[in-house]
Amino acid sequence: GQNIDQPTEMTATEGAIVQINCTYQTSGFNGLFWYQQHAGEAPTFLSYNVLDGLEEKGRFSSFLSRSKGYSYLLLKELQMKDSASYLCAVRDRWSGGYNKLIFGAGTRLAVHP
Amino acid sequence: EAGVTQFPSHSVIEKGQTVTLRCDPISGHDNLYWYRRVMGKEIKFLLHFVKESKQDESGMPNNRFLAERTGGTYSTLKVQPAELEDSGVYFCASSQGVAGATEQFFGPGTRLTVL
Repeated sequence: GQNIDQPTEMTATEGAIVQINCTYQTSGFNGLFWYQQHAGEAPTFLSYNVLDGLEEKGRFSSFLSRSKGYSYLLLKELQMKDSASYLCAVRDRWSGGYNKLIFGAGTRLAVHP
Repeated sequence: EAGVTQFPSHSVIEKGQTVTLRCDPISGHDNLYWYRRVMGKEIKFLLHFVKESKQDESGMPNNRFLAERTGGTYSTLKVQPAELEDSGVYFCASSQGVAGATEQFFGPGTRLTVL
């Protein structure tokens, strides 16, 4: 079956660092995405990992271990505007195409002053 | 560059009625996807168009749902007749490239409420 797990909620303090974990079990794998979604808005792309290791992009980093079925999103120097839901999504591999995204339920992050 | 747009932003209908949702992808994006988020659950894939062809419709819940993309530009998703369990947020996304191995850009979604 397809299963993606991430914590439901997290809280953190402005200026701190937070790590959001994601574990997955999918029938296929062709990359893992992290999206940010503010309430009532479109999910927006944060990062993409297809090979093991760390990808860094400004205050955001994402890590992938394919052998462990594990990823994390690291947010540094937290700002109030980082309060949002963070969605972990695996791109499935299907004989007819490689594009279907399988989403976790999302992690709601609340950043406090 | 304009992003993915969806219309309407909200729709409230009664059980048994018909609703048509529209998605305009980013210009030049061959790949168009429909996803749905039911209250409290994760976003789930419905189907994928490459240009005007349905590449993968494995996520369509039943034959009450009909998606079209005539001309390979905008897409519509019709629910007929709507049932209570169809309530949720319907997202559209698009991406470049024939193989589609790139990020998907999402629209803001249409919130559908079936009473």
